Amino acid sequence: DGGITQSPKYLFRKEGQNVTLSCEQNLNHDAMYWYRQDPGQGLRLIYYSQIVNDFQKGDIAEGYSVSREKKESFPLTVTSAQKNPTAFYLCASRTRQARWDGYTFGSGTRLTVV
Amino acid sequence: QQQVKQSPQSLIVQKGGISIINCAYENTAFDYFPWYQQFPGKGPALLIAIRPDVSEKKEGRFTISFNKSAKQFSLHIMDSQPGDSATYFCAASILTGANNLFFGTGTRLTVIP
Repeated sequence: DGGITQSPKYLFRKEGQNVTLSCEQNLNHDAMYWYRQDPGQGLRLIYYSQIVNDFQKGDIAEGYSVSREKKESFPLTVTSAQKNPTAFYLCASRTRQARWDGYTFGSGTRLTVV
Repeated sequence: QQQVKQSPQSLIVQKGGISIINCAYENTAFDYFPWYQQFPGKGPALLIAIRPDVSEKKEGRFTISFNKSAKQFSLHIMDSQPGDSATYFCAASILTGANNLFFGTGTRLTVIP
């Protein structure tokens, strides 16, 4: 089945640690996105990538980093510089050829700072 | 700055009733307006979408109404069912270019039997 796989489903981070969230898609989509979801704030864009080896900051990129070495993979690193990382993180992908939406979301990773 | 404003934040509807969620936007360059449905612990899934060249789009019990002059659009869920209980997000984007989606803050819908 084609889709987006995010792992792990739950992640716990200690203060001062960097953690990496995985996002893999087998949809042959060109563009990939990372969103952060907090209660009452909707989905906010962290980073996005339109093609391999290229990515741009979204609205809340501070304290996060990404890489796009393969078309299928777009990992997100939450660094120790992110002061309030506890949130639900969603990865999405989209084919650039689609005139309509074409966004497919993963099932998310819930990150908690302990 | 919230590009898309959504209300209400939460909504409780009796089974069989009509659920109405409203959204407003400022950027007149937006030309694509999708609605997403999200169940707890899951990612959002596309429910229905509309382009600004039509005023209404209906798919089953779900209808989008679009008012271009007022820069507002709304989701109507007819004959609401307990299985419709979820969080609903409106969104907007420009289909050309980066095509990033700008989301509303979400509405938690509860349909009581």
